[in-house]
Amino acid sequence: ELKVEQNPLFLSMQEGKNYTIYCNYSTTSDRLYWYRQDPGKSLESLFVLLSNGAVKQEGRLMASLDTKARLSTLHITAAVHDLSATYFCAVDGANFGNEKLTFGTGTRLTIIP
Amino acid sequence: DAGVTQSPTHLIKTRGQQVTLRCSPKSGHDTVSWYQQALGQGPQFIFQYYEEEERQRGNFPDRFSGHQFPNYSSELNVNALLLGDSALYLCASSLDRASYEQYFGPGTRLTVT
Repeated sequence: ELKVEQNPLFLSMQEGKNYTIYCNYSTTSDRLYWYRQDPGKSLESLFVLLSNGAVKQEGRLMASLDTKARLSTLHITAAVHDLSATYFCAVDGANFGNEKLTFGTGTRLTIIP
Repeated sequence: DAGVTQSPTHLIKTRGQQVTLRCSPKSGHDTVSWYQQALGQGPQFIFQYYEEEERQRGNFPDRFSGHQFPNYSSELNVNALLLGDSALYLCASSLDRASYEQYFGPGTRLTVT
């Protein structure tokens, strides 16, 4: 069974600082997703990483994928308050014909002014 | 172009009752997946519908059932509600097996008392 682990679960950081969220998954998959969720809201797609070595950046967020290590990172640069949210990574089982998404437990990020 | 829509937004039910949640996929999408997100947790896959049939199912009891209509919209039915069924129910749509991205709706918040 595919398992996805994120760390840290909670992250409180000051504005202007850099930090990284880690996502490990248990079986081979070439498709890794990052989502943002604000309290009481649905999931907002941030990045879709489709191959080993993929790197994508949007504003202060950058995501990367290492399929050999089964690891993805979400790096936050010079954090601002608007980035406070819960971030989820998710993996699908497309390699074995299973498109369902398996999510990590999420990282609750709080940016302190 | 309308995205994924869900109804109702909020719902309060009593233990033992039955509930039906509805989802309309993004225009042009033919595959609908349902997820349950308990408070403080990541979304859990319930099932996926394609061509009006259940294609995949997660680890949910038979009390959870669904349907997909010819226009690709979908319903999620839950019978004999338990307190533990209280959650945010998310619908996601995609374009068959060729698509790697699922678009999530705003969700239905179900509270069971």
